[in-house]
Order: sequence, then structure tokens, then C-alpha cells
Amino acid sequence: GQNIDQPTEMTATEGAIVQINCTYQTSGFNGLFWYQQHAGEAPTFLSYNVLDGLEEKGRFSSFLSRSKGYSYLLLKELQMKDSASYLCAVRAEYGNKLVFGAGTILRVKS
Amino acid sequence: NAGVTQTPKFQVLKTGQSMTLQCAQDMNHEYMSWYRQDPGMGLRLIHYSVGAGITDQGEVPNGYNVSRSTTEDFPLRLLSAAPSQTSVYFCASSRRGQKADTIYFGEGSWLTVV
Repeated sequence: GQNIDQPTEMTATEGAIVQINCTYQTSGFNGLFWYQQHAGEAPTFLSYNVLDGLEEKGRFSSFLSRSKGYSYLLLKELQMKDSASYLCAVRAEYGNKLVFGAGTILRVKS
Repeated sequence: NAGVTQTPKFQVLKTGQSMTLQCAQDMNHEYMSWYRQDPGMGLRLIHYSVGAGITDQGEVPNGYNVSRSTTEDFPLRLLSAAPSQTSVYFCASSRRGQKADTIYFGEGSWLTVV
């Protein structure tokens, strides 16, 4: 079976740091993706981890521990435009099929 | 700079009607997929293709058909629409291989079945 868990909602203050966690149990693993999705729009790619450790990309960082089935997305210097849903997705071993979590709605307040 | 193009953007169907959601990509990608997104459930894979003439079922294939006669196009057919198929549908494409940035999503198709 495939199971990916993320918190449903989070609220943070503009300028702060927020960490969105993702735990997964999947039959195969060939990388973990984070996507950002604004309401009414398509998901847009944020980050990708296939090896353990931290990947940094500007204000966004993503961490992976394969032994623990755990990842997090770290957003620094939060801006109002970061208010969106953040989706954690695991790529199965075969091809590029993705298994998605339900998403975390992040609300940034001033 | 078309990328992945989905049509229509919005559609209302009556129960029992059939229709086709179109998906086309101009990046010569081998892999194409259809997902549906329902509130509180994330995206779920409906059907998948690794190349022209090859398709595979995903997590929720019932009620949907696909074909891949060309590399560019991957239409999704609803044979007899049901209210449970009210959802947002996303088409995605990617090239063969493991590079993270090759999974592109279309803008989505909002379908309501009444």
C-alpha cells in the first residue's frame, strides 16, 4: 500500500520560518517531490530529494531521511504570496508515477 | 511556449453523458499521466503512458479510458459520466529518466457531473 501523511493546515507569520513535515510508507521509492499549488492552479515544482540530506534552493529547503520515511519542506522569510497548498509526492520505482499526500494548506498572516 | 495543454478548462456534464478531456504536449516527452484532485485527497493517478501505444492503469482507473496513438496526445475518455467523477483533472508529462524537473502539469480541467 501507499500512504503519505502531511498536516492538513498550518498558519505562520510573514517573515517567519515554517517547516512542513511529510511521512511516507510506499511499496517503492525513487525520489520525493514537493509542489506548491495556489487555489485554482496547477501544481508547480519546488524541490526534489532522492538521497538523504538537505537540498537548498533560495528561501526553500527540503530534507529527506529514507530510513525514517520522512521529509520536510522549510520555508524561510515567509511572504504573503507563500500562502498556498504544499504537496508531498513520492515517485514509484517504475517510471514517473507519483503518489501524492493530501497537501498542507499554509496560511501566512501579517 | 505551450508545454502541456489541456482542454476544456471547464465542463458540465449530465449523468450518463460521455466526453473526452484532451491533453497535448509539445516537448516530445515519453511519459504522460492523468490525475484527478478531490478536496482533502491530493492528486490520484488515473492512467499512465510510457510511450505511444502503451498505457497502464493507475490508482483510480474505473470509469475512464485512455489511448496514446501519438507521442504528443493523451486523451482521457469518460464513457458514462457519474457524479463521483466531479473533480479537477490534471494531465502531466515528463521525459524518460530521473531528473526532477521534468514533470510538467497542465493547467487543469474542472469537470462537474450533475
